[in-house]
Amino acid sequence: KQEVTQIPAALSVPEGENLVLNCSFTDSAIYNLQWFRQDPGKGLTSLLLIQSSQREQTSGRLNASLDKSSGRSTLYIAASQPGDSATYLCAANAGGTSYGKLTFGQGTILTVHP
Amino acid sequence: DGGITQSPKYLFRKEGQNVTLSCEQNLNHDAMYWYRQDPGQGLRLIYYSQIVNDFQKGDIAEGYSVSREKKESFPLTVTSAQKNPTAFYLCASSPTLAASYGYTFGSGTRLTVV
Repeated sequence: KQEVTQIPAALSVPEGENLVLNCSFTDSAIYNLQWFRQDPGKGLTSLLLIQSSQREQTSGRLNASLDKSSGRSTLYIAASQPGDSATYLCAANAGGTSYGKLTFGQGTILTVHP
Repeated sequence: DGGITQSPKYLFRKEGQNVTLSCEQNLNHDAMYWYRQDPGQGLRLIYYSQIVNDFQKGDIAEGYSVSREKKESFPLTVTSAQKNPTAFYLCASSPTLAASYGYTFGSGTRLTVV
């Protein structure tokens, strides 16, 4: 059974700092991995999707990497801003009989203070 | 704009009542999903549907039921058999069950038992 762990559970940084959020998964046979952002009381907004054949994806100040062999993904946020404050979730999409079923980590709560 | 619409945003249920949460998408996606989110437990899959008139149980289907009569709609009924229904419910969709292009989520429905 796939298990996804996110570290740290919470992170507080000053504005302008570069930061890394970590996501690890136990079963390396994933189809893809997706990073989401969730604001309080809201739904999930997709940030980046990395296919199993890819090593990284970039969107603006965000960069996500994937290392299947070690079961890890990282989300790098450059020059953080207060508007980046939210909960960040990673989710692994397993292949085989579990196609399309995401396994989520419990999230990292990010606070960027001015 | 294409997206997923969940309604209502807030829902209150009395003990012993069945309630239905609405999920509509205009993305022309084949696959749709229902997740439940509880504090400290992450998101857990309730039901998913690969195509019209087909749906499968997820990890926590007991006390829930769904239907998929139209491609655009995937309503979730929380029955009186669900012992602890208070949670945040999220609907999602993907072009296909394989979710090669990732998931799109709705804004959620918060259900509270009174």
